[in-house]
Amino acid sequence: KQEVTQIPAALSVPEGENLVLNCSFTDSAIYNLQWFRQDPGKGLTSLLLIQSSQREQTSGRLNASLDKSSGRSTLYIAASQPGDSATYLCAVGRYNFNKFYFGSGTKLNVKP
Amino acid sequence: DGGITQSPKYLFRKEGQNVTLSCEQNLNHDAMYWYRQDPGQGLRLIYYSQIVNDFQKGDIAEGYSVSREKKESFPLTVTSAQKNPTAFYLCASSPLGLAGGDEQFFGPGTRLTVL
Repeated sequence: KQEVTQIPAALSVPEGENLVLNCSFTDSAIYNLQWFRQDPGKGLTSLLLIQSSQREQTSGRLNASLDKSSGRSTLYIAASQPGDSATYLCAVGRYNFNKFYFGSGTKLNVKP
Repeated sequence: DGGITQSPKYLFRKEGQNVTLSCEQNLNHDAMYWYRQDPGQGLRLIYYSQIVNDFQKGDIAEGYSVSREKKESFPLTVTSAQKNPTAFYLCASSPLGLAGGDEQFFGPGTRLTVL
């Protein structure tokens, strides 16, 4: 069974800092990896999707990388802002099987 | 606007009652999913459906039931057999279904509380 871990569980940084969120998974036979943002009491908003053949994806101040061989993905947030405060979750899609495994998330607080 | 709608936003259930959570999508997606989220935990899959009139159990299907009579609708019933139903329920969809592992889109969620 695929296990997905996100460390740290919580992170507090001052505004303007560049930061990295980590996601690790135990089975490298993944189809893709998706990063989400969740605000309190809300649904998940998709941030970036990386296919298994890709090494990274970028959207604005966000950059996600994928290293299947080591079972790791990182989400890089440049020049963090208070509006980035939320919980960030990663999910891996299992190859040849339409099922996704989620980490428990990293709760980010960006202080003004 | 295309998207996924869930209703109601908040739902209260008495012990022994069955309740049904609604999920509708107008994205023309083949696959739909139901997840449960508990505080401090990742999402856990309850049921998923890759095409109309077909659905599969996820990791925690006991005490839940679903139907998929229309492509755009995937209602979830929480039965009285579910012993600890208080949680945040999220519905999702993805475009290709049978292709495996494509991008997921989520609804706003329903918070269910047992009184």
